[in-house]
Amino acid sequence: DSGVTQTPKHLITATGQRVTLRCSPRSGDLSVYWYQQSLDQGLQFLIQYYNGEERAKGNILERFSAQQFPDLHSELNLSSLELGDSALYFCASSGGDRGYGYTFGSGTRLTVV
Amino acid sequence: AQTVTQSQPEMSVQEAETVTLSCTYDTSESDYYLFWYKQPPSRQMILVIRQEAYKQQNATENRFSVNFQKAAKSFSLKISDSQLGDAAMYFCAYRSLISGGSNYKLTFGKGTLLTVNP
Repeated sequence: DSGVTQTPKHLITATGQRVTLRCSPRSGDLSVYWYQQSLDQGLQFLIQYYNGEERAKGNILERFSAQQFPDLHSELNLSSLELGDSALYFCASSGGDRGYGYTFGSGTRLTVV
Repeated sequence: AQTVTQSQPEMSVQEAETVTLSCTYDTSESDYYLFWYKQPPSRQMILVIRQEAYKQQNATENRFSVNFQKAAKSFSLKISDSQLGDAAMYFCAYRSLISGGSNYKLTFGKGTLLTVNP
């Protein structure tokens, strides 16, 4: 157990639907990062939150959004899902603003059918 | 923008032997962090080893060590006495030391799939 909890572990949904992925960071970590892992694109950075505020944005589609709540857990919302959104979505957390010690969750496997 | 390249999509090694995984990166920065992560079939991303660019000494963690060549922008991972449990996808990653914007993110290579043969 890395200390970073992601739910659900698996998700199967239809095209056009909306899903929410949840992440609880390791105790004491203020930063949360979301990554998408697909076979053709590898690990792509989506977005980072630090203590409730968005800090950095990567290759995140407009159909995707995220937020970090006061208790520091984060949610990644994916809407109008397409087949190409099928991927493994990772959450990682780190302590402090420097954030060099990333701890990853076990990921959510999203399958869009 | 920083890029990370792993030129070996797949590697194999005999149990108890040594294997080296290659990684090169491109950056204009002088200080940064480099990492190797392991992803076994369980999909969990596990930090193997970390190197700070301003430290000249190569990092070592038990059977894992790196060869960090800053001028060549090379960061290879050596696994000694390979074990069956070392079989996994290995990712090299870069993180800027500069605060702000997308510099907080880790940039990953495409990965090297390591097979350990008994």
